Amino acid sequence: GDSVTQMEGPVTLSEEAFLTINCTYTATGYPSLFWYVQYPGEGLQLLLKATKADDKGSNKGFEATYRKETTSFHLEKGSVQVSDSAVYFCALSDRDYKLSFGAGTTVTVRA
Amino acid sequence: ETGVTQSPTHLIKTRGQQVTLRCSSQSGHNTVSWYQQALGQGPQFIFQYYREEENGRGNFPPRFSGLQFPNYSSELNVNALELDDSALYLCASSFWAGEETQYFGPGTRLLVL
Repeated sequence: GDSVTQMEGPVTLSEEAFLTINCTYTATGYPSLFWYVQYPGEGLQLLLKATKADDKGSNKGFEATYRKETTSFHLEKGSVQVSDSAVYFCALSDRDYKLSFGAGTTVTVRA
Repeated sequence: ETGVTQSPTHLIKTRGQQVTLRCSSQSGHNTVSWYQQALGQGPQFIFQYYREEENGRGNFPPRFSGLQFPNYSSELNVNALELDDSALYLCASSFWAGEETQYFGPGTRLLVL
């Protein structure tokens, strides 16, 4: 079945550091890929998405490129802020009715 | 535009009891999905409702059931609660069943003692 594997955390960074969170997937078809973010005590917010190979999703300084050849969708941000501290989830939707999520990566940014 | 809302925000129940969680979908959305997020894990799909019919179900036992109403709001019912049912329950809505982008509510945190 469909599955998502993402980099284990926690990740601790200083402000203005570069952030990468690795995500790889397994799917039978051609899934759409998502990154969601969960701030403390809140639900999930859609951060970005990509629907086909080589698409780049971007939002709030975050980027991720859909790489079919490596089945990956790594999340990057060039200069993180304290406000980026959250749990980040990689997810896929394989043209069906559900999202399949990774286990989440906790990111803490220190001033 | 009103986002997805859920009630209650927190709930404490004892083993064997029954619980009902509620969700109002985002304006203009006719599809609601429910997810269970155990502590420290990613959300797991429970089921989806589209136009008042169940439109897919994850690997959850029948004691997890749901409803969708004509206004597209939804309920999740869990019978015979077990300790492992303690989790954050998330509701997500989408414009229609074939739309992959889902918008999540804040969740209901259920604690089973």
